[in-house]
Amino acid sequence: DAGVTQSPTHLIKTRGQQVTLRCSPISGHKSVSWYQQVLGQGPQFIFQYYEKEERGRGNFPDRFSARQFPNYSSELNVNALLLGDSALYLCASSLSGGGETQYFGPGTRLLVL
Amino acid sequence: DQQVKQNSPSLSVQEGRISILNCDYTNSMFDYFLWYKKYPAEGPTFLISISSIKDKNEDGRFTVFLNKSAKHLSLHIVPSQPGDSAVYFCAASDDTGNQFYFGTGTSLTVIP
Repeated sequence: DAGVTQSPTHLIKTRGQQVTLRCSPISGHKSVSWYQQVLGQGPQFIFQYYEKEERGRGNFPDRFSARQFPNYSSELNVNALLLGDSALYLCASSLSGGGETQYFGPGTRLLVL
Repeated sequence: DQQVKQNSPSLSVQEGRISILNCDYTNSMFDYFLWYKKYPAEGPTFLISISSIKDKNEDGRFTVFLNKSAKHLSLHIVPSQPGDSAVYFCAASDDTGNQFYFGTGTSLTVIP
């Protein structure tokens, strides 16, 4: 079975631009969460979605937004990119998101110049 | 505010010996704990979990211990193998499960 997939794998943007990252969960999983991992730190929670509804939001500015589609895939959008947004963006899926194990994709490496 | 802490950034162990990775948390509402392993250029891989109603969970060479009164958990790997060399993250969530909190990771090196 395919695991969590993310695209693109790498991305280079300049300050002020906008970026969209994509995630497809494990088949049968209905919840998707997004995390940001800066070098030397653990993943930081950004959003959780379940059945297309936002269930949780971490301490990130409104420049970060996300959505989940009827097929349970998800997009993370970041507007007005800052240098500090450079990070590995991880997507994780779980069956229903309620305190279950989350399974991570390989991540998208974003570099903002 | 770091609610999950891994105070040892790195650990080196000889092959065949035991590796013990430690994690502390501050939020008494956390009731589900996990360990993930991460290789460079890959996403974290789930290793083992434990709920707050248990104090020990085993899976092959991996055992997680939970001490709720001390708000401390540990991962024991025995025997350690060179392929275990990776960064290990502990994570925790409360009963809503809406958000997982991660530690900063411990880089384990198993020396052949």
